[in-house]
Amino acid sequence: EAAVTQSPRSKVAVTGGKVTLSCHQTNNHDYMYWYRQDTGHGLRLIHYSYVADSTEKGDIPDGYKASRPSQENFSLILELASLSQTAVYFCASSGTGSNSDYTFGSGTRLLVI
Amino acid sequence: AQSVTQPDARVTVSEGASLQLRCKYSYSGTPYLFWYVQYPRQGLQLLLKYYSGDPVVQGVNGFEAEFIKSNSSFHLRKASVHWSDSAVYFCAVRRTGNYKYVFGAGTRLKVIA
Repeated sequence: EAAVTQSPRSKVAVTGGKVTLSCHQTNNHDYMYWYRQDTGHGLRLIHYSYVADSTEKGDIPDGYKASRPSQENFSLILELASLSQTAVYFCASSGTGSNSDYTFGSGTRLLVI
Repeated sequence: AQSVTQPDARVTVSEGASLQLRCKYSYSGTPYLFWYVQYPRQGLQLLLKYYSGDPVVQGVNGFEAEFIKSNSSFHLRKASVHWSDSAVYFCAVRRTGNYKYVFGAGTRLKVIA
């Protein structure tokens, strides 16, 4: 079954440390996305990618980097984690045209202390 | 700029009662509209979508939504709710030719006995 798998499921990080969140999809989708979810804000787009080795900034990219080494894998990198980056992070993938519905992962709960 | 407003952060209804969750969007063209549901500690799952045609769209588990262009609304409805419908519901809009979504803040639905 096609899916989007995120790892880790949860993580505690220290302020100033580096955090890498990983996402793997088996949907054969071109597009992949990273969103963060905060209470009262819904989901906000951080970075996205439509092809391997290329990433694009979303609406709130500051403090985050992204990497798409292959069609299947998309990582979100926090070089210097901050308290304000405590949130739930969702990865999603989509195709194009009539196959453009999002498939979401189960999320990563990140707590920065 | 696109935006999605879900005016009700929380809604409580009795089991068996009817339900309407409100969604209003801001977009100058013809949008693609979606409703997603998020169960506890899970990713978002697609309930239904509107691309074109019949403004009333049917989704899973007895949900439906009506696109009213004159009112810029896409309200979600269900005739009779079940306790298992308790979840967070997100409305989203996607521009044509662009695969990025804008999400509303979500409505937390609680179904009581």
